This record gives sequence, structure tokens and C-alpha cells, in this order.
Amino acid sequence: EDQVTQSPEALRLQEGESSSLNCSYTVSGLRGLFWYRQDPGKGPEFLFTLYSAGEEKEKERLKATLTKKESFLHITAPKPEDSATYLCAVQARDTPLVFGKGTRLSVIA
Amino acid sequence: DTGVSQNPRHKITKRGQNVTFRCDPISEHNRLYWYRQTLGQGPEFLTYFQNEAQLEKSRLLSDRFSAERPKGSFSTLEIQRTEQGDSAMYLCATTSSAYEQYFGPGTRLTVT
Repeated sequence: EDQVTQSPEALRLQEGESSSLNCSYTVSGLRGLFWYRQDPGKGPEFLFTLYSAGEEKEKERLKATLTKKESFLHITAPKPEDSATYLCAVQARDTPLVFGKGTRLSVIA
Repeated sequence: DTGVSQNPRHKITKRGQNVTFRCDPISEHNRLYWYRQTLGQGPEFLTYFQNEAQLEKSRLLSDRFSAERPKGSFSTLEIQRTEQGDSAMYLCATTSSAYEQYFGPGTRLTVT
């Protein structure tokens, strides 16, 4: 059974304090690993797809990396507007996404 | 705004009543997924369509739940005889491939 574990559950940062969120996964034949951002009361917003170990993608202050067992979402010099829940999901072949529980990020000015 | 719309945004109903939600996908997207999300959890897969064909349903999906996608356009999710445990956010996501899925804003259901 495909599984995704995200850590920490919650993270509180000062503005400008860089950090990383972790997503550990087990999947039979990874087709893609996805990162989403979710604001309270809204649907998840797509951020990145990673397909193979060693791949990296960046968008503004966010950088996602992938190994064979985990993915990291690095946040550089975060701002208060980066506060949200960050969700990781995996997909094996032609199957639905399997999500982790997310990391709630709070960035304090 | 991803272009996926869901209605209603909020629904409050009494236990035992039936409810129906609607999802309008991005026009060129042929795959449509329904997920359920409760507080503190990630979205959980319910069912998905490719065009008008329902290809997969979660084993966790009660027979009180039914979904349709007539003509491969919008989709509806109906819950019959609602229970308090059905209270959740119901999310629709669409894609033109098997990769990135784009989510709508969700419908928040409260069963009293």
C-alpha cells in the first residue's frame, strides 16, 4: 500500500528563517511526487511535480528535491504570506494521488 | 483560481437528508477526481472519471455515495441519508493527463 508521511506536523518560523519540510514515501513504481499548498478553507494549489530521484524544481522562495525515499521542500527567507499547509502526494502508475497529512507552516513577521 | 468550480461552497444539512454537489472542470480536462478532506488530514480519494466513464471507486466509499459525469463534462456527487461522519470538505480535481491535478475550491458539508 502506498504511504506518505510528512514532518513536522507544524512549523513556526520567523520571517527570513529558512527551513525544510520533509515528505517520506513508499510506493510501488513512483510515477510522480507532487507538492501542493493549501490555504484555510480553500482547495490545494499545485506547486511542483518531481518524477525521478535527483530532480529539483524551484519557484520563488520554494525549492523541491527528490530522492528514492523522500522529498524535501526548502523554503528560503520565508515571508508571512508563505504561511499555509503544504501537502505532499505520490502517484504510482495510473492511480489516484495518495496524500500525506501536510505540514502547517506559520511565518511570523 | 484554477478554473475548476464547485457548487455550492457550503452546505448545511440535517442527518438523513440527501445532498448533491457539482463540479465543473477546466474545459479540456478529460479526467475528473473526487476527494474528501477532514480537518488535519490530507485529501482522500473517493472516485474518478475519464470522460463519462467512472473508472475507479475507493473501497472506503459507502454505497450511500454515488457520482456521475454525464457527457464527460460536469460531475455530480450525491450522498444519500447523510450521517454526521460525512461532514468534511469535498474536493474536485481535474487533469488533461495522469499527472498534475488542479483542484477546485471545495464544498464544505456540515451534517447536524
